[in-house]
Amino acid sequence: DTAVSQTPKYLVTQMGNDKSIKCEQNLGHDTMYWYKQDSKKFLKIMFSYNNKELIINETVPNRFSPKSPDKAHLNLHINSLELGDSAVYFCASSHPRTEQYFGPGTRLTVT
Amino acid sequence: GQQVMQIPQYQHVQEGEDFTTYCNSSTTLSNIQWYKQRPGGHPVFLIQLVKSGEVKKQKRLTFQFGEAKKNSSLHITATQTTDVGTYFCAENYGGATNKLIFGTGTLLAVQP
Repeated sequence: DTAVSQTPKYLVTQMGNDKSIKCEQNLGHDTMYWYKQDSKKFLKIMFSYNNKELIINETVPNRFSPKSPDKAHLNLHINSLELGDSAVYFCASSHPRTEQYFGPGTRLTVT
Repeated sequence: GQQVMQIPQYQHVQEGEDFTTYCNSSTTLSNIQWYKQRPGGHPVFLIQLVKSGEVKKQKRLTFQFGEAKKNSSLHITATQTTDVGTYFCAENYGGATNKLIFGTGTLLAVQP
């Protein structure tokens, strides 16, 4: 019954690898987001999709590529992982102009 | 990049004491949202403020939006250990994107 779910919860990988994080929401929202939270707890928007269309694309390295197969899913693929990519990645979803519902997060550790 | 300042960064209180966190922006805000993140958890929506000078209450929590819509505050009366966490304000830039710019957060520690 989880509203916004993410997999995996933890991800430990080596520099240079490629990895994906998956997100699903069952709230019927049209808009989904990816956020990055660094070790200082700064929470920063990365991408947003509305009904499978990219509407927010912040200054993010092009090693990061979001994909939305349908409006209930938003995945994040990261190529050539770097140490600085270590963070907690949160997926979120919302209706237009309303509060956002966050997933439990994926803690990514790059060694 | 865009950032919203919150003060203080950290506050440690004794249970029963009050707590306030302030959020300041250099621009006029469409609206502002507040979120709470428990340690190890994810941000959870608390409230949205839209009107100039708006005040909203949720039990022991009081939220205010400044008259000029450039600042906001969250006040907790008589803190409890369950209030522990990081409180974030978030500027909502409105429009179709619903883009949120999160504040730097205030970590609240409550000593029983």
